[in-house]
Amino acid sequence: EPEVTQTPSHQVTQMGQEVILRCVPISNHLYFYWYRQILGQKVEFLVSFYNNEISEKSEIFDDQFSVERPDGSNFTLKIRSTKLEDSAMYFCASSEVGRYYGYTFGSGTRLTVV
Amino acid sequence: QQPVQSPQAVILREGEDAVINCSSSKALYSVHWYRQKHGEAPVFLMILLKGGEQKGHEKISASFNEKKQQSSLYLTASQLSYSGTYFCGTEHELQGAQKLVFGQGTRLTINP
Repeated sequence: EPEVTQTPSHQVTQMGQEVILRCVPISNHLYFYWYRQILGQKVEFLVSFYNNEISEKSEIFDDQFSVERPDGSNFTLKIRSTKLEDSAMYFCASSEVGRYYGYTFGSGTRLTVV
Repeated sequence: QQPVQSPQAVILREGEDAVINCSSSKALYSVHWYRQKHGEAPVFLMILLKGGEQKGHEKISASFNEKKQQSSLYLTASQLSYSGTYFCGTEHELQGAQKLVFGQGTRLTINP
């Protein structure tokens, strides 16, 4: 079964440093998403991406965040200057075209900011 | 706008039934249901589009009441493997197609 692949599985970074989280969506999917989940809490929407541009973003997704699809397979989330409160599990997801399909989530990257 | 789920937690014995509710204050276009086991990613269960349809997936089914902006997830004859946290996700009529917002989750524990 096709999978969404995320790397790394766990990243520890110092406050103020930049991090890049990487995702390889399912190959025939055209919609891509980033969500985050602070330990034990709800899954929060960050951003959706379609046709090489941001479709929707939440109020969490401020100027320190950016997304990119640098080539035909990777989808990245960059956090420019990490804060302690950015510590969370970050999930990438992808879906097929249209509003009729569920999302397939990757296994996540646990980001710890110290 | 975040949907509201109820109850927050349910504890059942294997074989018992459960209902998890999801409601929104805004007009809904679709409702998704996902299950997340501890330390894992959410897994898609089903999607319901406006029209009040009911869908089924083994012993797990769901309904969508468009007029009340509510969806319910039904788990019948629960199995140990059903344990986990269930999230509904909603898309609203007037927003873009790609903004699925999740509720706070319902933790389901199935005991033998």
